[in-house]
Amino acid sequence: DTGVSQDPRHKITKRGQNVTFRCDPISEHNRLYWYRQTLGQGPEFLTYFQNEAQLEKSRLLSDRFSAERPKGSFSTLEIQRTEQGDSAMYLCASSSAGGYTEAFFGQGTRLTVV
Amino acid sequence: AQSVSQHNHHVILSEAASLELGCNYSYGGTVNLFWYVQYPGQHLQLLLKYFSGDPLVKGIKGFEAEFIKSKFSFNLRKPSVQWSDTAEYFCAVNNNQGGKLIFGQGTELSVKP
Repeated sequence: DTGVSQDPRHKITKRGQNVTFRCDPISEHNRLYWYRQTLGQGPEFLTYFQNEAQLEKSRLLSDRFSAERPKGSFSTLEIQRTEQGDSAMYLCASSSAGGYTEAFFGQGTRLTVV
Repeated sequence: AQSVSQHNHHVILSEAASLELGCNYSYGGTVNLFWYVQYPGQHLQLLLKYFSGDPLVKGIKGFEAEFIKSKFSFNLRKPSVQWSDTAEYFCAVNNNQGGKLIFGQGTELSVKP
């Protein structure tokens, strides 16, 4: 299965530590998205890339969050100085460019900040 | 502001009952509309999508949805649910350039055998 792959699936970290998540999109997709989902809520958009260019960032994305997609393939999402409020499921999705495309989601990385 | 509202937080049905999940959106311009499903322990999967054309769209597993532009709605329906339909259902919208999805808060569906 060559779907969207995320690593790790689970991460427990102490408050104040930095964490980094990786997303490998479907290979032919040039758009990559990051979302955050908390219990009982739908996914909230964080940021997206078209190829290596970061085209949009949500106001939800504080200065502690940074995302990269250096070669237009995989992407990383880093959270610095984690806080308990960062505990959530972090979802990655990918799609083709264009107006009439669907996004395919990975399994997500569940972050718990203790 | 762009938003999606799902009317029901938790729906409980018996097998063979009919299902309708409400979704309304607030979004300027031409939209694409989606329903995603998340089965327990699995990733979000696309059930169906509307881009243009016939406002009644059919998806996988017998689901369908109707886009009513005048009501800004995209309700999901299934005539007869099965226990295996137990899942969380999310309505989402983006503009016709693609890009980020705006999701509703989700509806948890529990189907009793």
